[in-house]
Amino acid sequence: GENVEQHPSTLSVQEGDSAVIKCTYSDSASNYFPWYKQELGKRPQLIIDIRSNVGEKKDQRIAVTLNKTAKHFSLHITETQPEDSAVYFCAAVSNYQLIWGAGTKLIIKP
Amino acid sequence: DAGVIQSPRHEVTEMGQEVTLRCKPISGHNSLFWYRQTMMRGLELLIYFNNNVPIDDSGMPEDRFSAKMPNASFSTLKIQPSEPRDSAVYFCASSPTDTGKAEAFFGQGTRLTVV
Repeated sequence: GENVEQHPSTLSVQEGDSAVIKCTYSDSASNYFPWYKQELGKRPQLIIDIRSNVGEKKDQRIAVTLNKTAKHFSLHITETQPEDSAVYFCAAVSNYQLIWGAGTKLIIKP
Repeated sequence: DAGVIQSPRHEVTEMGQEVTLRCKPISGHNSLFWYRQTMMRGLELLIYFNNNVPIDDSGMPEDRFSAKMPNASFSTLKIQPSEPRDSAVYFCASSPTDTGKAEAFFGQGTRLTVV
């Protein structure tokens, strides 16, 4: 079955700097890769996703890249702001099921 | 639409008691998921329904856990008897597709504390 690994578990960056979170997956049949953001005490919410026929997708300050050959995908956040502080989860979908990474706690230092 | 609605938001119960968590998915969504979230184990899928039918319940921890979806607008997760290790946040999520390749909309969660 699918396995998703996410790194780092905690990431601390200076406000205004960029943050990169990386995930690897094991099932080459996986073809949909969403990223969710979970603020403290709140529900996970989708922030961006990418399908396997696309290499990169951007939405304002966030972008996701996918390398199917290497089976890894990354979330990039530029010009980080205090409201970016949260836990970020990557996931991969094989068949119907979302397989989740363990999460990355992103801390934005003022 | 009000989104996925879960009740109660918080539940504190004594060990051995029965607990029932409720979920109303977004109208028109045909997939429903129950998740459990803890610091130690992260987000765990407990059970997945498609068109009200349980498709995958391999994540249900043990026989103390059961879930039902009697119709397209309502699902329950029951724990009986509850144990302290069941303390967690339980999320219900719904999705408009059965392929998984679409946004999963989460409810606000039920924080369960078993003492």
